[in-house]
Amino acid sequence: DQQVKQNSPSLSVQEGRISILNCDYTNSMFDYFLWYKKYPAEGPTFLISISSIKDKNEDGRFTVFLNKSAKHLSLHIVPSQPGDSAVYFCAARKAGNQFYFGTGTSLTVIP
Amino acid sequence: DAEITQSPRHKITETGRQVTLACHQTWNHNNMFWYRQDLGHGLRLIHYSYGVHDTNKGEVSDGYSVSRSNTEDLPLTLESAASSQTSVYFCASSESNGNYNEQFFGPGTRLTVL
Repeated sequence: DQQVKQNSPSLSVQEGRISILNCDYTNSMFDYFLWYKKYPAEGPTFLISISSIKDKNEDGRFTVFLNKSAKHLSLHIVPSQPGDSAVYFCAARKAGNQFYFGTGTSLTVIP
Repeated sequence: DAEITQSPRHKITETGRQVTLACHQTWNHNNMFWYRQDLGHGLRLIHYSYGVHDTNKGEVSDGYSVSRSNTEDLPLTLESAASSQTSVYFCASSESNGNYNEQFFGPGTRLTVL
């Protein structure tokens, strides 16, 4: 039973345009959400996070939006760069530091 | 610089053998985690630990065990390897200071069970 879902396995975007990656969750007890980026043959690296009490968090080119009523969050990357090409995982935390991950979205930024 | 390492990076074993994957972190983090990554499933939690001598089962713990004898290490043992345990395994650690803390991941171990 997948509590965190990323329904788009892949996404292609032109360099300079906006990339929007989506994530849905089912458990209303999640209190913290994160995005990780993963390159091949490497471990995931933390990108950006948002607490459940906020609806937006911005860090440079990366912005995460949280819609609690829809149980939906999204990651916006603007402008997209070729170095952003990677697999992006959405994760959600339940109390006790247990994290649940989505299946990932592979982003390709075309030069 | 602090880091988290995993060894071996690649391992091929046979069904029924015992296998131990090592994880070592120099962040001095209390929390440590083991995940497996499979196509179509993302990262799934196997076991986790909040400190020395503490271990807890995650959502896919059957067939795996961990022990925590010091802060730095959380080895993952497959008691009797099965082909269904062929996967990429990631170790992670995080602080436990009560704040919202991200996890730092190791580079992964690719395990093949023949």
